[in-house]
Amino acid sequence: DTGVSQDPRHKITKRGQNVTFRCDPISEHNRLYWYRQTLGQGPEFLTYFQNEAQLEKSRLLSDRFSAERPKGSFSTLEIQRTEQGDSAMYLCASSSRGRTSGANVLTFGAGSRLTVL
Amino acid sequence: AQTVTQSQPEMSVQEAETVTLSCTYDTSESDYYLFWYKQPPSRQMILVIRQEAYKQQNATENRFSVNFQKAAKSFSLKISDSQLGDAAMYFCAYRSASRNYQLIWGAGTKLIIKP
Repeated sequence: DTGVSQDPRHKITKRGQNVTFRCDPISEHNRLYWYRQTLGQGPEFLTYFQNEAQLEKSRLLSDRFSAERPKGSFSTLEIQRTEQGDSAMYLCASSSRGRTSGANVLTFGAGSRLTVL
Repeated sequence: AQTVTQSQPEMSVQEAETVTLSCTYDTSESDYYLFWYKQPPSRQMILVIRQEAYKQQNATENRFSVNFQKAAKSFSLKISDSQLGDAAMYFCAYRSASRNYQLIWGAGTKLIIKP
């Protein structure tokens, strides 16, 4: 397993266009998270899946944002009608559930950087 | 609501020296976890060290150790024998035991290592 993979690494789009990011978590991890990180700031929580169920969504996740995790494997994050304020790094992370020392420790992907012109 | 504050936007240290990064947090909860993550330029966030709030003993991972002061709500990271590869953004993060799906992050400290 090569860790958490995110695609694309960089995306430049024009305002108003739709974009979709993909995240492939570590295969044995059943929890998947999306965070957004703007320049000079720490990440902000967007949403969380346990298997295929989306259990939590931040108020930051406006109606233009939607995330899915069909079959509890990879996840997609779609942003519709992008705005310049959506420019950020979108981070995906995964973790396992359990009571071992490594449980629920997040492993992050390298992120997908979005630039909206 | 919980908050995490890192008051040092940037720190620099001579190679092989020791540096301490500061983090304070605010919470009314008693059961939580604290983390330090490292983010090298253009690379992913990597866990450096973590601390369970119920443990009095400070966590240590090789050259990295923490000073956890629960009453003061302080969680500093000490890096000993600094190496060029330690250069990165360092983020302090908090996770509630009850809302264990969400990390709350500080703004980060940029660590520069001088050769």
